[in-house]
Amino acid sequence: DIVMTQSPDSLAVSLGEGATLNCKSSQSVLSRFNNKNYLAWYQQKPGQPPKLLIYWASTRESGVPDRFSGSGSGTDFTLTISSLQAEDVAVYYCQQYYSSPLTFGGGTKVEIK
Amino acid sequence: QVQLVQSGAEVKKPGASVTVSCKASGYTFTSYAVNWVRQAPGQGLEWMGWISTYSGNTNYAQRLQGRVTMTTDTSTNTAYMELRSLRSDDTAVYYCARADDSSGSYSQFDYWGQGSLVTVSS
Repeated sequence: DIVMTQSPDSLAVSLGEGATLNCKSSQSVLSRFNNKNYLAWYQQKPGQPPKLLIYWASTRESGVPDRFSGSGSGTDFTLTISSLQAEDVAVYYCQQYYSSPLTFGGGTKVEIK
Repeated sequence: QVQLVQSGAEVKKPGASVTVSCKASGYTFTSYAVNWVRQAPGQGLEWMGWISTYSGNTNYAQRLQGRVTMTTDTSTNTAYMELRSLRSDDTAVYYCARADDSSGSYSQFDYWGQGSLVTVSS
């Protein structure tokens, strides 16, 4: 199984400041067939289902604000929130869909400082 | 608009079975696979398995093999997840989630149901 490790566990950021969330996979999730990283980021607010933010490691889902960006390749990935807004308080999960079983990281909780 | 509407909360005794439904609307049901994900209270996300709504093929997480069955009814655009021999650690919110099924490989989950709380308690 591919193990997804996220860091930090939690992060407190001032409004308007940037936030960097990390995700590391135990094996590469880069396909040599299509040169795509099978890595997604989700945002989950309390009492709600997860919401897709980023897929293919760096493609923003339609309707997601451009302050959210994804980067990385192979085994190391980053979700960046360029200017934190109050509505961004949530837990963020990375997920690999390269191979079964599909696996999620443990999540990073983002709070306002 | 795309919607996945799940069945309501359930309370079950240990050893019982539960079936959660997920009714899809707003898109062509058989063009997308359905994944099931669960989340224990205060915990992270656990993938349970995947079903192709086109072929009916399934792939279950190893730790649930033998206890879980995923099915679909294309006449009503509904997916079902049955979990048997329930234990207390099956207490969780269960989500269905849509994923593109056109490439022959797994893909991201772009729409999720609202979740169904299953509580297992004696």
